Amino acid sequence: TQLLEQSPQFLSIQEGENLTVYCNSSSVFSSLQWYRQEPGEGPVLLVTVVTGGEVKKLKRLTFQFGDARKDSSLHITAAQPGDTGLYLCAGDKSGTYKYIFGTGTRLKVLA
Amino acid sequence: KAGVTQTPRYLIKTRGQQVTLSCSPISGHRSVSWYQQTPGQGLQFLFEYFSETQRNKGNFPGRFSGRQFSNSRSEMNVSTLELGDSALYLCASSIAGQNTGELFFGEGSRLTVL
Repeated sequence: TQLLEQSPQFLSIQEGENLTVYCNSSSVFSSLQWYRQEPGEGPVLLVTVVTGGEVKKLKRLTFQFGDARKDSSLHITAAQPGDTGLYLCAGDKSGTYKYIFGTGTRLKVLA
Repeated sequence: KAGVTQTPRYLIKTRGQQVTLSCSPISGHRSVSWYQQTPGQGLQFLFEYFSETQRNKGNFPGRFSGRQFSNSRSEMNVSTLELGDSALYLCASSIAGQNTGELFFGEGSRLTVL
């Protein structure tokens, strides 16, 4: 059973477009992280959100944690080819002390 | 400082064989986690070690095992390999363990089982 579902699974857009990736669950998480993985490399942390309703901005990337701490979104403004990669959310389910990774969203930004 | 180092990067085995993968965490990190990544299942948690003790284990059969040494280096072993074990195996280290902060991943060991 996959606790964290991401949508869309695949996304191909033109440079300059905006996009939103969703990470949803029926479970509550103590914290949630977003990672980006490029081919041939391991995932790299982008952000950690810990408070329900929290919004964090990282240049053109905006991350939001749902009020109930069951979902999150990643919004990219004016996407660039360098944003291409696999985006993964990861949640720490309360009390388990291990991160559960989402199904992933593979983004391709065309120049 | 040096990142997480995994060896070997690539390996090919046949069904029934066994394999050992190695992970050297970032200096000062005491927690090492292992994940299996496949196109169909995504990143699946295998186990986590902290100070030579396994603290968490995922839902994998007993053929998958691991250990951690006193210098925090970790190894994982897969015995009696099956075709479905073909995957990218990722190791991640952190200072104190999962849910306490950032996981730093290595580049992975890509295993192909023929």
